[in-house]
Amino acid sequence: DAKTTQPPSMDCAEGRAANLPCNHSTISGNEYVYWYRQIHSQGPQYIIHGLKNNETNEMASLIITEDRKSSTLILPHATLRDTAVYYCIPGAGSYQLTFGKGTKLSVIP
Amino acid sequence: DVKVTQSSRYLVKRTGEKVFLECVQDMDHENMFWYRQDPGLGLRLIYFSYDVKMKEKGDIPEGYSVSREKKERFSLILESASTNQTSMYLCASTPRGGTDTQYFGPGTRLTVL
Repeated sequence: DAKTTQPPSMDCAEGRAANLPCNHSTISGNEYVYWYRQIHSQGPQYIIHGLKNNETNEMASLIITEDRKSSTLILPHATLRDTAVYYCIPGAGSYQLTFGKGTKLSVIP
Repeated sequence: DVKVTQSSRYLVKRTGEKVFLECVQDMDHENMFWYRQDPGLGLRLIYFSYDVKMKEKGDIPEGYSVSREKKERFSLILESASTNQTSMYLCASTPRGGTDTQYFGPGTRLTVL
């Protein structure tokens, strides 16, 4: 299984873009990169996923490097409600998601 | 929007009691999951079900059983609760088709005294 490396914590000013990096150098060819977040005392929330191409939805953008060894989740205009732990997870449809320690994002007023 | 609900947000039980945690999803998803989340250990899969009456063990099934009599409902049962089962329990669902886009419920924080 692919392992991921994320910074343990990051700060972002409210209204600015939050760029959350993830290294997944051992990801296999059929594994997507999924991003989830977990706000304190709530269940995890799916954000976005991608395989090779960059992806965008109403919540965020996902930039995946050409070699697929790393990716960046971008929250374009962070708000206080985006304060959460963000998880980068490789997945190949086996339903065996492994949530690591993630990045604790603090959005500062 | 997919909605996954769990029967309780907080629950306090005594050692040896039988505990039922219920999860209901309203999007006709085939697959449902039970996880527990503990500080420093992340989410760990207890059981999952890919169809009515079907179940598969996850990483930590010991001390737990599950029931899926209807497609929308997946129950986690602690036959005889113990203090080491104090945890946050999370239910999730996903449609069939090899996606890892799981939709989670709000969680049940169970305390076993």
